[in-house]
Amino acid sequence: EVQLVESGGGLVKPGGSLRLSCAASGFMFSGYSMNWVRQAPGKGLEWVSSIGSSGGHIYYADSVKGRFTISRDNAKNSLYLQMNSLRAEDTAVYYCTREGIFGVVADYWGQGTLVTVSS
Amino acid sequence: QSALTQPRSVSGSPGQSVTISCTGTSSDVGGYNYVSWYQQHPGKAPKLMIYDVSKRPSGVPDRFSGSKSGNTASVTISGLQAEDEADYYCCSYAGSYTFVFGTGTKVTVL
Repeated sequence: EVQLVESGGGLVKPGGSLRLSCAASGFMFSGYSMNWVRQAPGKGLEWVSSIGSSGGHIYYADSVKGRFTISRDNAKNSLYLQMNSLRAEDTAVYYCTREGIFGVVADYWGQGTLVTVSS
Repeated sequence: QSALTQPRSVSGSPGQSVTISCTGTSSDVGGYNYVSWYQQHPGKAPKLMIYDVSKRPSGVPDRFSGSKSGNTASVTISGLQAEDEADYYCCSYAGSYTFVFGTGTKVTVL
C-alpha cells in the first residue's frame, strides 16, 4: 500500500524557516517524480514544486522560487521541502504527492502538514 | 501560472448529471492531454478521479467522465449521489514539469 506521511509543519514567524519531510513507503520511491502541493485555509490547491526521480528536473512555482528548495534522499525514501523567508501567505496545508503517471501531479497524496506563518 | 477557471459551485438532485468546466490557455489545458480531476471532501486529502483528460483510475465509478475541447476541459458526474458532494479541482500539466490547478468547484447534492 502506498503511503506518504508528511511531518515538520508548525508555527513560524514571518521571515523564518521550516523544513518539511515526507516519508514514502509501499512503492519504489526512487522510480517516481514527486511534488509538493499546498492549500491555504479555505482556499484552493496550488502546485509548489516538483523533483525528478533521481533528484534532477527541479521546478518551482513563481510564488516560492528563490525561497523554497525541494530535495530527496532515495536511500531514505524521503522527500523534503526547505522553506526560507516565510511569509504569511505561505500559511497552508502542505501535501506530498507522488507523480505516478507522467503529466499527473498526484496519483497518491499524503495527509498533509499545516504550516502557519504568524507573528 | 494563472489558476485555471472553474465555476464556483454547481448543484444537482440525486440521479441527475452535473458538469464542471475548467478553462485554461493554449499553454496548459489546450496544449496537452494531461488534465486531471481531483475530489476533496472536507478535512481530507484530494483523490484522483480522472487523468489524461478522460481516463479513470481503478476504483473510480464510471459515473465520472472527462472530456476536453480546445482550452476547456470538463468532468461530468452522472447519476449524482450524496457521496459526490465535495470540492472538485482540475489540474493541467503546463510544460517544463510544472502544473496549474483550477480554482475549485463545490458540488452540492440537493
